[in-house]
This record gives sequence, structure tokens and C-alpha cells, in this order.
Amino acid sequence: EVQLVESGGGLVQPGRSLRLSCAASGFTFDNYAMHWVRQAPGKGLEWVSSINWNSGNIDYVDSVKGRFTISRDNARSSLHLQMNSLTPDDTALYYCVKDLAAASTGYFDPWGQGTLVTVSS
Amino acid sequence: DIQMTQSPSSLSASVGDRLTITCRASQRISNFLNWYQQKPGRAPNLLISGASNLQSGVPPRFSGSGSGTDFTLTITSLQPEDFAAYYCQQSYSIPYTFGQGTKLEIK
Repeated sequence: EVQLVESGGGLVQPGRSLRLSCAASGFTFDNYAMHWVRQAPGKGLEWVSSINWNSGNIDYVDSVKGRFTISRDNARSSLHLQMNSLTPDDTALYYCVKDLAAASTGYFDPWGQGTLVTVSS
Repeated sequence: DIQMTQSPSSLSASVGDRLTITCRASQRISNFLNWYQQKPGRAPNLLISGASNLQSGVPPRFSGSGSGTDFTLTITSLQPEDFAAYYCQQSYSIPYTFGQGTKLEIK
């Protein structure tokens, strides 16, 4: 069974940094692209970032470019999101999501349970 | 960026009803359209990919159709477990974008 377990969320002040992690199991991690998708409280879904199987192709939504960095460690089956210069608009539940292929296809399945990031002073 | 517009934003229905949710893309996306179901307090779940391909384990009362810019998700004979939020999403180009969601409530 595929499992994606996020960690690293919490309360952080504006301008500070946070690093999210996702531990993957139940599948061959380095065969798949991975994503981060977020959901602000009571709001809809927003794709944040994608990374292909070998980290050779990375993309971000414009609102986080230059502030967030996605990375993966295939040896440890883990995905990470380094978030710098956080603002209150980054407050959301952050989901780790598996793609259906090695290159990013934009098909999100399955999703982890999410880790909550709250940016507030 | 491709904008995805869902309608309605919310809907009240009864068990046994048939309903349709629509999703419109701001430009043509062929059939690169996916539907997700999200129950309260849970992560989203992929229901339909490629506009009409039902994922394994999804009941056949769910169906999707459309191509180009206009898409629909149809649920026949609503069941209690179907009351949730539904999102469309385009996988045609980055940034991948979602509709604003349709919240389905019990009448």
C-alpha cells in the first residue's frame, strides 16, 4: 500500500523558514515524479511544486518561485520542501502527492494526509 | 495560466438524485482534465483522469465527459458517502490548476 507521511509543519513567524518532509513507502519512489499541493483553511486546492524522478525537471507556481525549493532523496524515499520568506498567504495544509509517472504528468494520486503550516506573528 | 471554472459552487441534493457538475477551462486542454473528491477532514482522492477514465475502485455511478474546454462530472443515484467537495484540475500545462470546487450537501 502506498503511504505518504508529511511532517515539519507548524507555527512560524512571517519572514521565517520551514522545511517540510514527506516519507514515502509502498512503491518504488525513484520511479515517480512527486508534487506538493496546498490548501488554505476552508479554501480550494493549489499546486505548489513538482519534481521529476531524478530531480532533473522542477517547477513552481509563480507565487513561491525564489522562496520555495523542492528536493528529493531517492535513497531515503523522501521528498522535501524548503520554504523561506514565509508570508501569511502561505498558511495552508501542505499535501505530498505522487504522480502516475516518472516525468510530471499532473495526475495526483495518491495524497498524503498533509502537514499544516501557519504563518502568523 | 489556465483558469478552471466550476459550477455550481455548492449544491444541495438528495440520496438517489442524479447530478452534474461542470468545469470550464479558459483555453483548450484536450482531455487533460481530472476530477477529485474530498471528504471533510480528508485528503483529496482522484476519481477520474483523462476526462472520462474512472480510477480503480471508484463506483460506476461516477462518470466524466468532455473535451476541449467543457467538461462534466455526473453522479447517478447519489449515495450518502458521495456528499463531499469535488474539484476539477487541468493537467495540460504547468502551472497545474484546479477549479474552485463544488460542495455537495444533503438536502
